[in-house]
Amino acid sequence: GAGVSQSPSNKVTEKGKDVELRCDPISGHTALYWYRQRLGQGLEFLIYFQGNSAPDKSGLPSDRFSAERTGESVSTLTIQRTQQEDSAVYLCASSLGDRDTDTQYFGPGTRLTVL
Amino acid sequence: DQQVKQNSPSLSVQEGRISILNCDYTNSMFDYFLWYKKYPAEGPTFLISISSIKDKNEDGRFTVFLNKSAKHLSLHIVPSQPGDSAVYFCAAALSGTYKYIFGTGTRLKVLA
Repeated sequence: GAGVSQSPSNKVTEKGKDVELRCDPISGHTALYWYRQRLGQGLEFLIYFQGNSAPDKSGLPSDRFSAERTGESVSTLTIQRTQQEDSAVYLCASSLGDRDTDTQYFGPGTRLTVL
Repeated sequence: DQQVKQNSPSLSVQEGRISILNCDYTNSMFDYFLWYKKYPAEGPTFLISISSIKDKNEDGRFTVFLNKSAKHLSLHIVPSQPGDSAVYFCAAALSGTYKYIFGTGTRLKVLA
């Protein structure tokens, strides 16, 4: 079956521009996560969506970052007025949402380069 | 403040030998731990997990050990195979939350 997909796979933008990253989770997965991985760093939690609950935005690094999710499907991560330090691989993951057996399935990521 | 640490950025092991990847954490409240494997240009894939009520979990060639008193977990791969060459991330979670805290990863190279 189809896994988590993300688009674009690569994005190069100029400092100050806005970018939008897309994630298509696995069908039926109620939980969706966004992570960021900077060069040489671990995965950094950004935001978590679970069903119709209010998202956990505690990992968003600044108000330039926002994310939306339509129901239990597609999510978009938007970065406004991009800065060079935003350059990273942005990973999306989804899971069934069952804590006991929860496994996060990751997409291939979007590599963002801010010039 | 790095709550989950993988102090070895890289590890090389001969094919057929044991690979041991280590992970330390600082928050004693973490009660669920996972290992993910990542190949270049791909997202991380789940490998194995362990709950804090256990000290060992085994799945084929992969075994995870948890030492709660030392706040330490390790992943053993035996025998190691060239296809195991990848970056391995450990992650920890707090009960009641889905927020996984990942380490910085260890790059394993299995030499043929």
